[in-house]
Amino acid sequence: DTAVSQTPKYLVTQMGNDKSIKCEQNLGHDTMYWYKQDSKKFLKIMFSYNNKELIINETVPNRFSPKSPDKAHLNLHINSLELGDSAVYFCASSPNRGRAGYPEAFFGQGTRLTVV
Amino acid sequence: DQQVKQNSPSLSVQEGRISILNCDYTNSMFDYFLWYKKYPAEGPTFLISISSIKDKNEDGRFTVFLNKSAKHLSLHIVPSQPGDSAVYFCAASAGTDSGAGSYQLTFGKGTKLSVIP
Repeated sequence: DTAVSQTPKYLVTQMGNDKSIKCEQNLGHDTMYWYKQDSKKFLKIMFSYNNKELIINETVPNRFSPKSPDKAHLNLHINSLELGDSAVYFCASSPNRGRAGYPEAFFGQGTRLTVV
Repeated sequence: DQQVKQNSPSLSVQEGRISILNCDYTNSMFDYFLWYKKYPAEGPTFLISISSIKDKNEDGRFTVFLNKSAKHLSLHIVPSQPGDSAVYFCAASAGTDSGAGSYQLTFGKGTKLSVIP
């Protein structure tokens, strides 16, 4: 009954390959995110989708393309992988903002991508 | 440019004592602050948050203090327990959300807390 689940947990691939990371949330949230944790341990937002619509798109190479088939899923496809793409990628989701203020984001367990 | 800074990469505390984790920020537009806890090979888990209209929020053993004039917040854990050993991330969000609750969190680098039995 995992709330936010990502697959795969580990991904090792060669430079130049295309790969996808899948994310699903069963919390009924309307908003989903992708964050990247680089080698310096910084967690940085990449994308945000609300009800399948792209809301936030930070400065990310266009080799990265998020796809949201429905509001419970936000997949990340990466083309022409490069060594610098090696990182841990976290999917997250949050409910819509209510009177309580900003709702907290719930994170998946992360996908460790290693490009060799 | 780090907008959220956690200057202590690690902290060791004896079980039963108080743990104090610090966080500084530079962006005066931040109006909501959160602490996340992360175990190895798991995603961050929300711990506690505070709005900029408050200076303190308490939840059980966890208390977050916010000093807006100093742009500083801290997380107090008392009493500390071995199960609290984890990496703690401070995060902040600016005043505008991008739509229907879609908002951007800016994270610090984290502080690894070790609670010694």
